[in-house]
Amino acid sequence: RKEVEQDPGPFNVPEGATVAFNCTYSNSASQSFFWYRQDCRKEPKLLMSVYSSGNEDGRFTAQLNRASQYISLLIRDSKLSDSATYLCVVNDNFNKFYFGSGTKLNVKP
Amino acid sequence: DVKVTQSSRYLVKRTGEKVFLECVQDMDHENMFWYRQDPGLGLRLIYFSYDVKMKEKGDIPEGYSVSREKKERFSLILESASTNQTSMYLCASIREFDSPLHFGNGTRLTVT
Repeated sequence: RKEVEQDPGPFNVPEGATVAFNCTYSNSASQSFFWYRQDCRKEPKLLMSVYSSGNEDGRFTAQLNRASQYISLLIRDSKLSDSATYLCVVNDNFNKFYFGSGTKLNVKP
Repeated sequence: DVKVTQSSRYLVKRTGEKVFLECVQDMDHENMFWYRQDPGLGLRLIYFSYDVKMKEKGDIPEGYSVSREKKERFSLILESASTNQTSMYLCASIREFDSPLHFGNGTRLTVT
């Protein structure tokens, strides 16, 4: 079983739609959680950290469910510029970061 | 803002060449990483360094070595490049392990 699993998509949505991605992790002792955005042939860029109480940054909301061992990312009012691959990253508070395979989002006009 | 700089965006090398990939960070981070990213395989850790001259093997260290002579610089060395080392190479750094990784802009290496 992979340490971090994501639905690879692609998710094809119209502009203005709300879309949600989930990411499950296998290590219940995992400490830190992050969502990254990666554009084609570019480096991953931090979108947001995920906190236990959930957190929001503009149109983006991230949540953590420790009981079920998953994190989620909700994007409201999707823009064309949101088209990218979204990676979830989990850290066990040592030197190991575990990466999901990424979920591809296509926002269509 | 943390800046992680990789020396080359694109590189083309021949099989058997020795290849150096350089990475510099400007935030005094102790911890630095080298990953490679391949379609279908995701990001895989090659080497990790937690201090000057200190290093640990990651998941796929074979065919690679690293050097960390100064805190801000972490170099990845391909001792004898092979075609299966064609990949996107990403350097990253963090101060503490509950912090997010800060990635460099990547080096796309092609070995012919």
